[in-house]
Amino acid sequence: ETGVTQTPRHLVMGMTNKKSLKCEQHLGHNAMYWYKQSAKKPLELMFVYNFKEQTENNSVPSRFSPECPNSSHLFLHLHTLQPEDSALYLCASSQEWRQGRNEQFFGPGTRLTVL
Amino acid sequence: DAKTTQPNSMESNEEEPVHLPCNHSTISGTDYIHWYRQLPSQGPEYVIHGLTSNVNNRMASLAIAEDRKSSTLILHRATLRDAAVYYCILRPQGNRDDKIIFGKGTRLHILP
Repeated sequence: ETGVTQTPRHLVMGMTNKKSLKCEQHLGHNAMYWYKQSAKKPLELMFVYNFKEQTENNSVPSRFSPECPNSSHLFLHLHTLQPEDSALYLCASSQEWRQGRNEQFFGPGTRLTVL
Repeated sequence: DAKTTQPNSMESNEEEPVHLPCNHSTISGTDYIHWYRQLPSQGPEYVIHGLTSNVNNRMASLAIAEDRKSSTLILHRATLRDAAVYYCILRPQGNRDDKIIFGKGTRLHILP
């Protein structure tokens, strides 16, 4: 496989469930990102990992918990979510963070619905 | 944080050139200008980026104003598959905050 893959593509969960989103990149990049895209709102950067270290947390509620075990894999652990957390969650990667000359490659996203 | 402004929507006829504008009056000297597009039900896709000089690739051209306060993405011959939301964002080079702020973008409609 090439590029950035995300699983699952669709997820429906109740507010009391715990689930995880997975992202994998096969590009040899060192930076990985989680974004949230709600209906009719711009993409919002949630977390950034650079060389497996979290470098950005844009005031994201603690019910979202990221994990980056290595430079190729990124997880987003979800627990006690709210219906307003329903959105498209996108993963991206780039060669490095804070390198404006590097483009980002996005995965197809996970469409999350919280009931 | 450096921000960009784009028209909400634009329309173009198929097989004609399209010029998508972006204003970034607060751009810093080391900010790169990036363009992405998002087709329906897909993640964003990288289109092109540049710093000062105009850039060309197989997808598009990027024209950057001399003062760098604006830029234009040029699709030379639009097809129906180019209908998407186009985002212009700024990315810093070096040890500066990289908040990666996406705006609402420009929704491009292509008329057959």
